[in-house]
Amino acid sequence: KQEVTQIPAALSVPEGENLVLNCSFTDSAIYNLQWFRQDPGKGLTSLLLIQSSQREQTSGRLNASLDKSSGRSTLYIAASQPGDSATYLCALTANNDMRFGAGTRLTVKP
Amino acid sequence: DAGVIQSPRHEVTEMGQEVTLRCKPISGHNSLFWYRQTMMRGLELLIYFNNNVPIDDSGMPEDRFSAKMPNASFSTLKIQPSEPRDSAVYFCASSYTSRGTEAFFGQGTRLTVV
Repeated sequence: KQEVTQIPAALSVPEGENLVLNCSFTDSAIYNLQWFRQDPGKGLTSLLLIQSSQREQTSGRLNASLDKSSGRSTLYIAASQPGDSATYLCALTANNDMRFGAGTRLTVKP
Repeated sequence: DAGVIQSPRHEVTEMGQEVTLRCKPISGHNSLFWYRQTMMRGLELLIYFNNNVPIDDSGMPEDRFSAKMPNASFSTLKIQPSEPRDSAVYFCASSYTSRGTEAFFGQGTRLTVV
């Protein structure tokens, strides 16, 4: 069974700082990896999708990488803003399911 | 498309009552997932449908939980009888296939069983 771990569980940074969120997984036989954002009391918003055959994806200030051999993915946020404050979750899709990590709660201080 | 639509947004019910949660996936999507989110356990996959057929329900906690997908545009998750420990946020998500495409989530149903 796929185990997904996100470190750190919480992160607080000053505005403008670049930061990296980490996601590790135990089973590399995946179809894709997706990063989501969740605001308090809200649903999940998809940020980036990396197919199994890809190494990275970029969207604006966000860059996600995937290294299946080491079982790791990172989400890089450049020039962080207070509006980036949320919980970030990674999810891996494999046979018949999509498994989530516990998330990293990010706070960007003005 | 309006995205994945869940109803109700909030549900408060008494222990022992039947609860039905509803989901309308994005048109054209053929995979549908039900998740439960709690502070203690995070996001747990309950059941996954592909082309309206339940593929994996190993995450359904017990027989009190059941899910159906009578057609491509509608799914229900039913809890009967409900218990206080079922209190959580229940999310529905859909994608075109389960393998390579982006999944989209509904806004969730916050269930409180008193």
